[in-house]
Amino acid sequence: GAVVSQHPSWVICKSGTSVKIECRSLDFQATTMFWYRQFPKQSLMLMATSNEGSKATYEQGVEKDKFLINHASLTLSTLTVTSAHPEDSSFYICSARDSWGVAKNIQYFGAGTRLSVL
Amino acid sequence: AQSVTQLDSHVSVSEGTPVLLRCNYSSSYSPSLFWYVQHPNKGLQLLLKYTSAATLVKGINGFEAEFKKSETSFHLTKPSAHMSDAAEYFCVVSAPNTGNQFYFGTGTSLTVIP
Repeated sequence: GAVVSQHPSWVICKSGTSVKIECRSLDFQATTMFWYRQFPKQSLMLMATSNEGSKATYEQGVEKDKFLINHASLTLSTLTVTSAHPEDSSFYICSARDSWGVAKNIQYFGAGTRLSVL
Repeated sequence: AQSVTQLDSHVSVSEGTPVLLRCNYSSSYSPSLFWYVQHPNKGLQLLLKYTSAATLVKGINGFEAEFKKSETSFHLTKPSAHMSDAAEYFCVVSAPNTGNQFYFGTGTSLTVIP
């Protein structure tokens, strides 16, 4: 089946530093990737939608200058949390959408990245 | 717009007994419906999906769900719970009129008692 790899799985950083999270589709081309944030015991909140080669579309309330998204190829999207602060600590999950055949419109999820900002 | 209501935030069953996780949806367009499972500190795994074909959908690990348009429901069932089924389950709706964006329910935590 389709596999999405997310790296790193866990990162601890100091307040004020930037952290980059990678999301790769390993065996399919993903024209669209999504970034979600999940707070403990809560559902997933869509942060932004990323289309290959174009600027990401951010959801209302998500700071585009804080959460930089790049989707330079059909298999890779990155989320950079800039000048991270403790309130940015969370579980970040990416997903990728396969646009071909019967798998169209299914999102395949990465294993998530737990970010802890000290 | 689309929305999903998962009626139970927590369900507890004994091992070997049936599982029922309830989901109601709202959609102004023909929806696609999904169930995903999330184990602790893991990403989401697709259990099954409904996309306007057969109303009874069979998924992985013995799970199935039935799409009932008249009741706007998409409940997830399994005849016999296994310890490994303990996890968080999310019902998801999407539709073309909103760019196939996923709308998640708030999740149901399933506990399986040995």
